[in-house]
Amino acid sequence: GAVVSQHPSRVICKSGTSVKIECRSLDFQATTMFWYRQFPKKSLMLMATSNEGSKATYEQGVEKDKFLINHASLTLSTLTVTSAHPEDSSFYICSAKGGASGSVDEQYFGPGTRLTVT
Amino acid sequence: DAKTTQPPSMDCAEGRAANLPCNHSTISGNEYVYWYRQIHSQGPQYIIHGLKNNETNEMASLIITEDRKSSTLILPHATLRDTAVYYCIVKRNTGNQFYFGTGTSLTVIP
Repeated sequence: GAVVSQHPSRVICKSGTSVKIECRSLDFQATTMFWYRQFPKKSLMLMATSNEGSKATYEQGVEKDKFLINHASLTLSTLTVTSAHPEDSSFYICSAKGGASGSVDEQYFGPGTRLTVT
Repeated sequence: DAKTTQPPSMDCAEGRAANLPCNHSTISGNEYVYWYRQIHSQGPQYIIHGLKNNETNEMASLIITEDRKSSTLILPHATLRDTAVYYCIVKRNTGNQFYFGTGTSLTVIP
């Protein structure tokens, strides 16, 4: 099946610094990528939808100036957490919508990035 | 997209079939039922999806009731590696976003 990678898998940063997380589709082109956040023992919460070459669409309550998303190519989207605070510590997961197989709308998820802000 | 309701947790003996229910009573005619699972500290993994017919693949079977208001994911011979949180999601095929509910935490017991 299609593979999505994330880098880094874990990152620890100090409060006030910025952290960039990369999401790559390795064997397919993804016109649309999605970013999720997951707190411990909670479900995935969609943060934003990222379309290649255009501005990301953010879910209600997600600060676009804090979570910068850049979808520069059909295989790469980046999420930058700016001025990180301890409450931003979470598991960040991306997914990519792959090439169509009929009308199936499958999404392929990355392995996630564990962010810890100290 | 329709909301789904799943039991918060279930246990299953290793080697037995695991039957995970999902209620989606407000599902619309053009909405599909998707199942994903998430093993601890990993990204979600696609399992199966369907519209109204029952579906089977190498991982599982999906049984959708005739009125489409509920479905059951069946893992025919559960193994310890199937311990995970299982999410049932109902979504229009033309819509992009997946909205995850709370899922069912399945524990396979030796």
